[in-house]
Amino acid sequence: DAGITQSPRHKVTETGTPVTLRCHQTENHRYMYWYRQDPGHGLRLIHYSYGVKDTDKGEVSDGYSVSRSKTEDFLLTLESATSSQTSVYFCAISNSHLSNTEAFFGQGTRLTVV
Amino acid sequence: AQRVTQPEKLLSVFKGAPVELKCNYSYSGSPELFWYVQYSRQRLQLLLRHISRESIKGFTADLNKGETSFHLKKPFAQEEDSAMYYCALRSGNTGKLIFGQGTTLQVKP
Repeated sequence: DAGITQSPRHKVTETGTPVTLRCHQTENHRYMYWYRQDPGHGLRLIHYSYGVKDTDKGEVSDGYSVSRSKTEDFLLTLESATSSQTSVYFCAISNSHLSNTEAFFGQGTRLTVV
Repeated sequence: AQRVTQPEKLLSVFKGAPVELKCNYSYSGSPELFWYVQYSRQRLQLLLRHISRESIKGFTADLNKGETSFHLKKPFAQEEDSAMYYCALRSGNTGKLIFGQGTTLQVKP
């Protein structure tokens, strides 16, 4: 398995509270991504990073922010959690923008907002 | 618009039966397509990519540009094939993936 870990693995939080999920890699890959997985929607991209301090929005970025202060860590923050953000969150990494490049995924974080 | 569609939420077959998981895409340009698989309690992992034209675990997928499809096939399903399968389209030059809704394959003994 690629060296990619997510923390926490499970979290229950209350509506309106801030939440930060962490993705840590030991592969020195340039690209990092946050996806959310929901039944009927598959995986949808929230934000991604193409280098330290370089990030951009994905398809479903509203209510989320990210930061990447060093190559190995990519943080996803829910500023004020809502029930619609209850989901399974996956981090992924990729080494290249070139075609045919595989993405490697973390184990996922199950977040429940009550 | 760039889109990936997997029309079947659940596909249930008996062991030894042929399997075809459908995937259709919408993309203006030359598509790069992948199949990812998620076994129970495991992380998503790459199964195969169209450009490699490979067979992994007996699965194959052929890109049909005329029909904008990338269906996943296996002639004889095994119980260990039971998993969630995602078709994905690579978008742009930053490695972003657009996923289909996923198909759960259930192989019954």
